Amino acid sequence: QVQLQESGPGLVKPSETLSLTCTVSGGSVSSNTNYWTWIRQPPGKGLEWIGYIYYSGRTDYNPSLKSRVTISQDTSKNNFSLKLSSVTAADTAVYYCARDLVLPTGTTFCYAFDIWGPGTVVTVSS
Amino acid sequence: DIQMTQSPSSLSASLGDRVTITCRASQTISSHLNWYQEKPGKAPKLLIYAASTLQSGVPSRFSGTESGTDFTLTISSLQPEDVATYYCQQSHSTPRTFGQGTKVEIK
Repeated sequence: QVQLQESGPGLVKPSETLSLTCTVSGGSVSSNTNYWTWIRQPPGKGLEWIGYIYYSGRTDYNPSLKSRVTISQDTSKNNFSLKLSSVTAADTAVYYCARDLVLPTGTTFCYAFDIWGPGTVVTVSS
Repeated sequence: DIQMTQSPSSLSASLGDRVTITCRASQTISSHLNWYQEKPGKAPKLLIYAASTLQSGVPSRFSGTESGTDFTLTISSLQPEDVATYYCQQSHSTPRTFGQGTKVEIK
């Protein structure tokens, strides 16, 4: 059974770079059936998709964050990472990693976030 | 970006009541619509994918329907453990987008 676990600093100073890692257990980041994804949730607010990486290394980012985001993977460590540069207080949030899996539905298919990490709180403050 | 408009933002219902949450997409997304349940301090949990397919292990009191760009999540008989915030999400295209959430409480 695939499990995800986020790790990284819980406190980041304004203008610095937020760095988080998601370790995959029970599965492989090299799987071609899903995208490895980062999602965040500011305090008291809804969910925001940050972006994903595919096993091939192809990435896709939310246009609202694209200039500041980098998602990468390390197949030797079976993990993938998020870097968000030039952070401000608005980047304070719970950050989740998740698997965006292709799920068959009869004659078609649908992607959905079927597995999530427990989430990690990141606060941006001096 | 595809906008997902969810309503209501909150509701209060009695145990055993039928509860309905609606989500409207700003453009056609076929059946690429998923529903999640989020409890305080926990990661969201996938309930329904492809508009109407129940994820494994999810109680059958949860169901989903679609009509064009309108999607509905129904809880047929509200239980205490259903207190949570529910989100819709489209997976038709990127950026993936979520509805604003519906907080469900017991009256």
